[in-house]
This record gives sequence, structure tokens and C-alpha cells, in this order.
Amino acid sequence: QKEVEQNSGPLSVPEGAIASLNCTYSDRGSQSFFWYRQYSGKSPELIMSIYSNGDKEDGRFTAQLNKASQYVSLLIRDSQPSDSATYLCAAEGYNTDKLIFGTGTRLQVFP
Amino acid sequence: EPEVTQTPSHQVTQMGQEVILRCVPISNHLYFYWYRQILGQKVEFLVSFYNNEISEKSEIFDDQFSVERPDGSNFTLKIRSTKLEDSAMYFCASSDREVLYGYTFGSGTRLTVV
Repeated sequence: QKEVEQNSGPLSVPEGAIASLNCTYSDRGSQSFFWYRQYSGKSPELIMSIYSNGDKEDGRFTAQLNKASQYVSLLIRDSQPSDSATYLCAAEGYNTDKLIFGTGTRLQVFP
Repeated sequence: EPEVTQTPSHQVTQMGQEVILRCVPISNHLYFYWYRQILGQKVEFLVSFYNNEISEKSEIFDDQFSVERPDGSNFTLKIRSTKLEDSAMYFCASSDREVLYGYTFGSGTRLTVV
């Protein structure tokens, strides 16, 4: 069974700090990885996608991928209270078009 | 920005009844999906649809479920004879895999089976 694992949290950080969210995946064939943000009762919203080893930056967000360690992370710089949400890590399975989601990490940014 | 539209936003149905959840994907997308999320649990894949046929389905997607693209814009999920455990948020998504943007999810339909 292909799995994506995340710490459920909550991860609490003060406003302005860096929030670091982590994810591991079991399917070595996975090539594409995504971070979604989900507010309570809402649908997942795509924040970042990453396909290659290394870092990818977009504004305050940086995604990191290490395929050898099967590890994906998301850094949020200058965290804001509006960033408080559940962050879902997802991996696209090998030779499939479905996404496998982790349980999500709840982030709380306090003023 | 283009959106995936889902209707209704909330559906309450009695156990054993049939429901149809509707989705209008982004117009130039070719790949369509249904996912569900039981309260407090993971987002789970149900089915993917391309070129007017199912391309992949999960073990959840049994004979109780069916999908259809009845016209050029709508994409529907039918659940026959609903059960209490079908209560969940159902999300439609679409993608243009040529550019590998990942999915755009609709706002979801909350299905409550009583």
C-alpha cells in the first residue's frame, strides 16, 4: 500500500517565524509532489508542486525534495496568522494519475 | 482565475436513496477526478476519467458508484443506494496534464446520509 506520511501536529509558530512542514512517501516510483493548503471545511488549494531534487521557491514558500530519502518539505517564511490551516502533502503514484495524500499537518500561527 | 464548480454545496439524503453530484471542470482540462474526504480523515482518490472513460478507480469505487460526462461541460458522480458511511466531502478536480500543474479542486459537496 503506497503511503504518504505527515505529522498531524499542531505545529505552532509565532507570527514572522519560519514554519517547516515535512512529509515522507513510500512509493519510490513517485515523480511529482504537491503541497496543498486546506482551511477547515474547504477544499484543498494547490500551493506548490515539485518534481526535481532540490529546492523550489515561490514567494514565501519553498518546497524541498530529496528522492533518495523519499522526503518532501515545505518552508513558509514570515508566517502569518492567515497561514493557519492544514497542509496536505500529496504524491503522484508511478504510472498512475491519482494523488496519494497524507493526513495533513495542522499549522497554527499565533500573533 | 478558472475554477472548478461543484453543485450542490450540501446534500442531505436518506439512506438507500440515489444522489448525483455535479461538477463543471475547467474548460480546457481533459482529465477529471473525484476524491472524497470523510470528516477528520485523508483525502482519498475515487476515480479518474479521460477521453470519456474511466482511466483508474480505487477499491472504494465499487458498483455503487458511477461517473458520467453527459455533455461537453458537466462531470457527474452518481451514488446509488447511499449508506451512512458515504457521508463525506466529495471533491471534483480537473487537470491539464500536459503542463503538470497538479489538480485544481472544486469547492466540494458535503454529502450527509441520514
